[in-house]
Amino acid sequence: ETGVTQSPTHLIKTRGQQVTLRCSSQSGHNTVSWYQQALGQGPQFIFQYYREEENGRGNFPPRFSGLQFPNYSSELNVNALELDDSALYLCASSGANSYEQYFGPGTRLTVT
Amino acid sequence: KQEVTQIPAALSVPEGENLVLNCSFTDSAIYNLQWFRQDPGKGLTSLLLIQSSQREQTSGRLNASLDKSSGRSTLYIAASQPGDSATYLCAVKGSGYSTLTFGKGTMLLVSP
Repeated sequence: ETGVTQSPTHLIKTRGQQVTLRCSSQSGHNTVSWYQQALGQGPQFIFQYYREEENGRGNFPPRFSGLQFPNYSSELNVNALELDDSALYLCASSGANSYEQYFGPGTRLTVT
Repeated sequence: KQEVTQIPAALSVPEGENLVLNCSFTDSAIYNLQWFRQDPGKGLTSLLLIQSSQREQTSGRLNASLDKSSGRSTLYIAASQPGDSATYLCAVKGSGYSTLTFGKGTMLLVSP
């Protein structure tokens, strides 16, 4: 059974640029959630996708957007990057019969 | 709005000690509660999940309890080891689609 994977591991962007982060969910899982974790803080919920549709969103502006594909993998897109977007971005997947979430290793984004 | 608080923020103990980490939440209408471990700069590893109808869960040296009515959970670690050094995060899930709300974590250091 393959766990949750994320790419890239690290990346550095300049303020104002756009970035796309990718996540492959655990086999058999149809729900993907994205979280932002600033240094020293707990993860904050960005949004969740279930069967290719967004079905929940946290307190993040519209420049944070996402997609889920038919194979349940997912992308997180952030436009017009700001310095405060620097964080660890975590993806988690869960299955249809369980709300237990399994997390990937994260993508460390640095905005300069 | 659900808020999760973890006490203490940091804890340093000698190897072999038994210890307790505390988590409190403001809204008792939860679906489940998860305890996670996070190593520096890494993703989250699920340790224990307690459903709202359960009182406790055990895995090896770890025992987590849940008192939903009082909005509290504890994670008990027996016979601590240096390899237990990490940040421990508590997260609660509400009903329906809602996702996880995290505390800021407790940073644990176990010295040899």
